Amino acid sequence: EAGVTQFPSHSVIEKGQTVTLRCDPISGHDNLYWYRRVMGKEIKFLLHFVKESKQDESGMPNNRFLAERTGGTYSTLKVQPAELEDSGVYFCASRQREEAFFGQGTRLTVV
Amino acid sequence: GENVEQHPSTLSVQEGDSAVIKCTYSDSASNYFPWYKQELGKRPQLIIDIRSNVGEKKDQRIAVTLNKTAKHFSLHITETQPEDSAVYFCAASHTDSWGKLQFGAGTQVVVTP
Repeated sequence: EAGVTQFPSHSVIEKGQTVTLRCDPISGHDNLYWYRRVMGKEIKFLLHFVKESKQDESGMPNNRFLAERTGGTYSTLKVQPAELEDSGVYFCASRQREEAFFGQGTRLTVV
Repeated sequence: GENVEQHPSTLSVQEGDSAVIKCTYSDSASNYFPWYKQELGKRPQLIIDIRSNVGEKKDQRIAVTLNKTAKHFSLHITETQPEDSAVYFCAASHTDSWGKLQFGAGTQVVVTP
């Protein structure tokens, strides 16, 4: 069974540019989450999809972040325009029962 | 909302010794407490979890204890080995709607031979 896959693994962009991160969850998992770890701190929740619907987006920092999950399969997280403080590792996870399976993350560096 | 505190932030142990990591949570409605291990450059992976109706769970060299009254839970690793070196995260969530995980800040464990 394929795990959770994220693209790209690394991204370096300039402040003000746009970046789109992609997550392919485990097939059949209705629940998809985005998390972010900044500067060695805790892994912080961003938002939760159930199928194509946003169940909880309370962790989204501001309106520069837009997440979509068209058709309830893969998800994208767009940051536009990127700021320096957006740098960090963005994780995607999917779950169907208790265990949440994580992707390897996208390391985003905004310079 | 839920707040999870984790201590210590770093832990250095001799191979063969035990390691203990402690977490506290604030939301008494949380009922699921997983522990994740993240090796350098790899994805976080679940190593053990516990539900609120259980006080202790063990899997080989790893055990987790939960004190619901005090709202704290701990990870115990016995007979540590170099491959136990990693960052360990505790987390808390509600399972009713498979909601978000609230993570602690992580503990960097270094096992020296």
